[in-house]
Amino acid sequence: AQSVSQHNHHVILSEAASLELGCNYSYGGTVNLFWYVQYPGQHLQLLLKYFSGDPLVKGIKGFEAEFIKSKFSFNLRKPSVQWSDTAEYFCAVSLEDYKLSFGAGTTVTVRA
Amino acid sequence: NAGVTQTPKFQVLKTGQSMTLQCAQDMNHEYMSWYRQDPGMGLRLIHYSVGAGITDQGEVPNGYNVSRSTTEDFPLRLLSAAPSQTSVYFCASSKTSGEQYFGPGTRLTVT
Repeated sequence: AQSVSQHNHHVILSEAASLELGCNYSYGGTVNLFWYVQYPGQHLQLLLKYFSGDPLVKGIKGFEAEFIKSKFSFNLRKPSVQWSDTAEYFCAVSLEDYKLSFGAGTTVTVRA
Repeated sequence: NAGVTQTPKFQVLKTGQSMTLQCAQDMNHEYMSWYRQDPGMGLRLIHYSVGAGITDQGEVPNGYNVSRSTTEDFPLRLLSAAPSQTSVYFCASSKTSGEQYFGPGTRLTVT
């Protein structure tokens, strides 16, 4: 079975700091990759996705992610975080069968 | 479009009670799914459907039933609630592989 690992359980940083969240998956075939965000009290929203093509993808709110096939990784980055980026972030992977496998999530707390 | 809607938003059940969580989407998506979210475990797939009349089990199906009589609706039934089913439940839909749209969730407590 496929698995998705997120390296950090909780990240705390100050406004304007840079953010990088790690994500690794175990499947060796063709995958679709996603990052979702869940703001406090809200449902999951898609931040960005990778299906094919340029491995550096840009999403909403200044986030980007890089797909490195040789490392089975899809790390999320943001150069300068804001207090409003406080949320839980989930990496997810899907195969051809539409089913999403999620990582355990990383809680990001941004201090003003 | 309302997107994906879920009812109720909150529910408290006693052990052994049954109930149905409702999910509907108005985007004409073929694929629908139910997840439960528990702290430190991310979202785990309970059941999913690739179209009306077709359902299948996900990672954690025990204690839950689903049906898909129409494209729009995908209810989740708890047959006999247990405290281990205390969780937040999310319904999602998708037209293509993987990019799923999530509902607002149902917070369920079983006492």
